[in-house]
Amino acid sequence: GAVVSQHPSWVICKSGTSVKIECRSLDFQATTMFWYRQFPKQSLMLMATSNEGSKATYEQGVEKDKFLINHASLTLSTLTVTSAHPEDSSFYICSARDRVTLLSNQPQHFGDGTRLSIL
Amino acid sequence: QKEVEQNSGPLSVPEGAIASLNCTYSDRVSQSFFWYRQYSGKSPELIMSIYSNGDKEDGRFTAQLNKASQYVSLLIRDSQPSDSATYLCAVNFPGYDMRFGAGTRLTVKP
Repeated sequence: GAVVSQHPSWVICKSGTSVKIECRSLDFQATTMFWYRQFPKQSLMLMATSNEGSKATYEQGVEKDKFLINHASLTLSTLTVTSAHPEDSSFYICSARDRVTLLSNQPQHFGDGTRLSIL
Repeated sequence: QKEVEQNSGPLSVPEGAIASLNCTYSDRVSQSFFWYRQYSGKSPELIMSIYSNGDKEDGRFTAQLNKASQYVSLLIRDSQPSDSATYLCAVNFPGYDMRFGAGTRLTVKP
């Protein structure tokens, strides 16, 4: 089945640091990738949607200058949390869909998530 | 009105019982519906997909869909402690990405 690899799985860093999270589709071309954030015991919240080769579409309330998303190829999207602060500590999950699943209403494939802790 | 609504729970059932999880959605045009299971600290994993009205069974899991009522449910028979997790209902809205409910926390007590 389709596999989405997310790296790193855990990051601990100091406040003010920028952190990059990678999301790769291993056996399909991810035309669309999604980035979610989940705080403890809360629901999955969509942050942004990115289509390969174009600018990401951010959900209301998500700062695009703080959460930089790059989807430069059909197999890789990155999320960079710039100048991270403790309130950015969360579980970040990416998911991906290829053109086939998008058109056929098949489900999204999720990465394993990245736990980000800002000290 | 939220697009996908779930009772947040927690829902607690004894081991061996049937757990019933419910979900309503706001768009009559939606064609595909999914249930994901999420263990604490892990990302969601797909457990059921359903596309047409009626029941769909897979092992101990049964998904039920009623498009007229805009309602989808998940039944877990013979619940096991390992089923304890948060269950997310997801709906594909035409022209948009998949939208998730807030999730229902299920606890199966031995």
